[in-house]
Amino acid sequence: DQQVKQNSPSLSVQEGRISILNCDYTNSMFDYFLWYKKYPAEGPTFLISISSIKDKNEDGRFTVFLNKSAKHLSLHIVPSQPGDSAVYFCAASAKVTDKLIFGTGTRLQVFP
Amino acid sequence: GAVVSQHPSWVICKSGTSVKIECRSLDFQATTMFWYRQFPKQSLMLMATSNEGSKATYEQGVEKDKFLINHASLTLSTLTVTSAHPEDSSFYICSASPGSPYEQYFGPGTRLTVT
Repeated sequence: DQQVKQNSPSLSVQEGRISILNCDYTNSMFDYFLWYKKYPAEGPTFLISISSIKDKNEDGRFTVFLNKSAKHLSLHIVPSQPGDSAVYFCAASAKVTDKLIFGTGTRLQVFP
Repeated sequence: GAVVSQHPSWVICKSGTSVKIECRSLDFQATTMFWYRQFPKQSLMLMATSNEGSKATYEQGVEKDKFLINHASLTLSTLTVTSAHPEDSSFYICSASPGSPYEQYFGPGTRLTVT
C-alpha cells in the first residue's frame, strides 16, 4: 500500500523554465511533508518542507504547495538549472508515527 | 554541519556470510537513527528505527534476526545483514536525527551485492 505516490517517474525541462514535481498521498493523518533531492549513489538531501497548517512555503528557487483537500503537494523549481538534475523524493510524516514515508521519486533532467 | 557517513560504500559478499554496515553522525549527536533500503527505481523503505541504548523498532515484514541493528552510542549505529542471500542485494541508507524525525540527515548509502 503506497501511501505516498509520485506518478511521474521522470520529467525533462529546459534550463530556465519551471519544473513542477507532483506528489499525492492517501493518509489524512500526515501533517508534515518534505522534499528531498538525491544524486546516484548518494543519500537524499533535504530541500524544503511544509506543515499541514500552511499551503505554501518558499525558499529561493524552490516553492512547495500543499492542497490538503486534494491530498496533493507539488514542488516548483524556477528557474530550473542543469544542476537540479537529480531524483526528487517527496516524504510525509504523521506525529503519531514519527516516521517518514517516501514516494517513489521523480527523475528530473534539466537540459540546456 | 550535519554530516552522516556510511561505511563501506559498497560491498560484495558470498551467500551465507554476514555483512556489517556502519553509520556515523560526524558532527552531531544522533538520538535516533533510521535504516532504509532502496530497490532500483523504488522508494526508500524504512526498515527500522533505533534509539541510542535501546532495542531497535523494526517495520512490519523486516526480520529482526536477519537485520541486526545496534545503536551503541550517540554517533554510531550498525546494521548487520546475517546469512545474506542474493535477494538481500540492495542499496542500504541510514539517516540520523538529533531530535525530531522530521530532521533526518542521510548517509551516502551502501550498495550490497550478494553473490
